Amino acid sequence: SQTIHQWPATLVQPVGSPLSLECTVEGTSNPNLYWYRQAAGRGLQLLFYSVGIGQISSEVPQNLSASRPQDRQFILSSKKLLLSDSGFYLCAWSFRTGFGIQYFGAGTRLSVL
Amino acid sequence: GNSVTQMEGPVTLSEEAFLTINCTYTATGYPSLFWYVQYPGEGLQLLLKATKADDKGSNKGFEATYRKETTSFHLEKGSVQVSDSAVYFCALRYYNNNDMRFGAGTRLTVKP
Repeated sequence: SQTIHQWPATLVQPVGSPLSLECTVEGTSNPNLYWYRQAAGRGLQLLFYSVGIGQISSEVPQNLSASRPQDRQFILSSKKLLLSDSGFYLCAWSFRTGFGIQYFGAGTRLSVL
Repeated sequence: GNSVTQMEGPVTLSEEAFLTINCTYTATGYPSLFWYVQYPGEGLQLLLKATKADDKGSNKGFEATYRKETTSFHLEKGSVQVSDSAVYFCALRYYNNNDMRFGAGTRLTVKP
């Protein structure tokens, strides 16, 4: 069966510091991968998705970037965090074809102070 | 463009009450429709889905019927429990498309 791991679970970072959140998927090959942000009390905002190694699509221009160095690894980064980057970050995967059910990681709660 | 509109929360119910969370969508063609649930401090989990008109998705006592004539996918449960307290998201996506659109989420609190 497939599993998705996301870490860290909680992160407190000062403004201006760098960020690296990692997500890995096990038990499948060639998944689509996604990063979402959920601001407090709000819905999900798709940040990036990837259909393959090195292929990243950005949905919202911002202070963040994503990379996919390996088939089942997806990394969310920032060079300098802003206060507005605080939120709950969710990684998800889906099969390449089909009805598109997305399977989510447990999330990372990021507080930028 | 494609979008999903959910009833605003929060919703507070007593245990064993009937639940309805409204969801309507705007889309062309025939998207698949989903309900996801997010328990406190966790990621989202798929609750149920429907992939064509008149399909009924069901799971854990929750049901939702894909109504193309009213472009709706309302979530219902006959008797809620305290353990159902969570945030519920309606979503749509086209087959083989990477673009999944989520509603803003509806927070449900069930009191004993």
